[in-house]
Amino acid sequence: KAGVTQTPRYLIKTRGQQVTLSCSPISGHRSVSWYQQTPGQGLQFLFEYFSETQRNKGNFPGRFSGRQFSNSRSEMNVSTLELGDSALYLCATQIAGGPGDTQYFGPGTRLTVL
Amino acid sequence: AQSVTQPDIHITVSEGASLELRCNYSYGATPYLFWYVQSPGQGLQLLLKYFSGDTLVQGIKGFEAEFKRSQSSFNLRKPSVHWSDAAEYFCAVGTNTGNQFYFGTGTSLTVIP
Repeated sequence: KAGVTQTPRYLIKTRGQQVTLSCSPISGHRSVSWYQQTPGQGLQFLFEYFSETQRNKGNFPGRFSGRQFSNSRSEMNVSTLELGDSALYLCATQIAGGPGDTQYFGPGTRLTVL
Repeated sequence: AQSVTQPDIHITVSEGASLELRCNYSYGATPYLFWYVQSPGQGLQLLLKYFSGDTLVQGIKGFEAEFKRSQSSFNLRKPSVHWSDAAEYFCAVGTNTGNQFYFGTGTSLTVIP
């Protein structure tokens, strides 16, 4: 079974631009969560999508948004990029969600904002 | 509020030595506890998890962890470290209120020959 796929793996953008990251879950997984990982901060939860609906949301500004498609693939978008948005963005997928449902992580997208 | 603390930012051990990585959590109810490992350029891989029952949990790659409710801890251990264990380790807690997980800031492990 193929793992979680994230594209692109690396991105370089400049301040003020916007960016879209993609996550393709393991087949049969309907829950997709997004995290921002920065040194010293660990993983910060952005949001979770299930059946094309945002089910949970972390404490990030509205510049961070996402969506999920009918095939469970998910995208996250960051508008008006700031230097502080430089990070590794990870997605994690689950069959249906819930603490007892193991999260499987993708390799991440490394975003650098100049 | 839920939180996870990993007091050790960086640990260095000799190959063959034992290892213990500390994790403390804050959560009012019985937590769901996890340890993940992240190698450079990789995503996170689940090492082990605790939901209920036996407080000593066995995981992959020879790791184990012990849940101690009285200390709000879930420390990760390995009796003999291998050079390939060098990586970043994350402790996480999951709750019953929504599908949200809280991660510690990680412990970076260096293994010296």
